[in-house]
Amino acid sequence: QLQLQESGPGLVKPSETLSLTCNVSAASISTSSFYWGWIRQPPGKGLECIGSIFYTGSTHYNPSLKSRVTMSVDTSKNQFSVKLRSVTAADTAVYYCARLPWHYDASGYQTTWPDTWGRGTLVTVSS
Amino acid sequence: SYELTQPPSVSVSPGQTAKITCSGDALPKKFVYWYQQKSGLAPVVVIFEDGKRPSGMPERFSGSKSGTVATLTISGAQVEDEADYYCYSSDSTSSHSGVFGGGTKLTVL
Repeated sequence: QLQLQESGPGLVKPSETLSLTCNVSAASISTSSFYWGWIRQPPGKGLECIGSIFYTGSTHYNPSLKSRVTMSVDTSKNQFSVKLRSVTAADTAVYYCARLPWHYDASGYQTTWPDTWGRGTLVTVSS
Repeated sequence: SYELTQPPSVSVSPGQTAKITCSGDALPKKFVYWYQQKSGLAPVVVIFEDGKRPSGMPERFSGSKSGTVATLTISGAQVEDEADYYCYSSDSTSSHSGVFGGGTKLTVL
């Protein structure tokens, strides 16, 4: 059964870079059927998409975070990662990684949605 | 930026029908997905592509859409259905533009 597991520091200082990795088990990340993505949730608040990556390395980022985000994939390790630069307290959140099935909609746009999620990891930004 | 609007809270008694709405301008052209999130846990999809139920999801969960409004219906809500529910869909003008609604807290008591 597919499992996703986030890992990385739970505490990051303001202005530094948040780095997380998602390890995928029981399925290959090198498949054309799915994108792989990151979603975050500040404490007590709603869900926000961060971005997605294909096994080829093609990426798509939330415009509101695009200037600070970089995602990468390592197919040899079956994992993908996210880096968020210049973090502030507003970046404190539970970070989830997820598998994203995709399809073309009637207008020809590529659409993804998260069907399987990791358990999430809390990252606190504080000095 | 594109937004999906949900009511902050819905409350029903056990056995009653709960309806949670999600409104968005692009919904006539885009699929809607619904997620259940219980306290401290990751979200779980309860409805995908407007009205399809994942394998193993109880039949009391159903989804529908009319124009710019999608509705998640829980027929005969149970105490264990108490959770936050989020809708998810996409902007109609670009690829990879998924957004979540603000979430609805369902109370069953």
